[in-house]
Amino acid sequence: SQQGEEDPQALSIQEGENATMNCSYKTSINNLQWYRQNSGRGLVHLILIRSNEREKHSGRLRVTLDTSKKSSSLLITASRAADTASYFCATDAKKAGTALIFGKGTTLSVSS
Amino acid sequence: DSGVTQTPKHLITATGQRVTLRCSPRSGDLSVYWYQQSLDQGLQFLIQYYNGEERAKGNILERFSAQQFPDLHSELNLSSLELGDSALYFCASSVGGAKNIQYFGAGTRLSVL
Repeated sequence: SQQGEEDPQALSIQEGENATMNCSYKTSINNLQWYRQNSGRGLVHLILIRSNEREKHSGRLRVTLDTSKKSSSLLITASRAADTASYFCATDAKKAGTALIFGKGTTLSVSS
Repeated sequence: DSGVTQTPKHLITATGQRVTLRCSPRSGDLSVYWYQQSLDQGLQFLIQYYNGEERAKGNILERFSAQQFPDLHSELNLSSLELGDSALYFCASSVGGAKNIQYFGAGTRLSVL
């Protein structure tokens, strides 16, 4: 079953614009991660935020986490055509080493 | 390159057949995870092995089985294949620990005709 649900399902923007994706989850978590998947390829880890953190930055990525609302957002600033991909949030239970539960993803299309 | 190797990249087979998917984890990673990705179900966790032992089970059908060998590579066996088993199968590995960052292979695309 899906733990995370991303919103929106699809997003189309122009190069240079910011893209924001949201994720909601159901149970208490240890960490929340965001992954990117280019069409038909494997997933690539982007960023991890711990349950006791509220915000994290990595390059053009900014992730926020609100554990009271069980939600997270991923902001990609100054989008590029190369950012075109599907983005998934993934959560794990409060026990280290358990499998990740992925949402259905947001498909981002960045046009030049 | 994630360092996780999956073979074969593509597999076409008929209903009722049995196939084996292979995964070599990143050097040093003890945990291997198998996931199935389909359009309708999304990315579903199947099973996890840690240092040769089964650690967790997800939505894995009884027709599917897996194992992890002493050299840490893993195989996913799918038998009595049905049309609905057509999907992308991913293997991921991690060193384990609290962060649980997983590194994914490029996947095996299975087509059951």
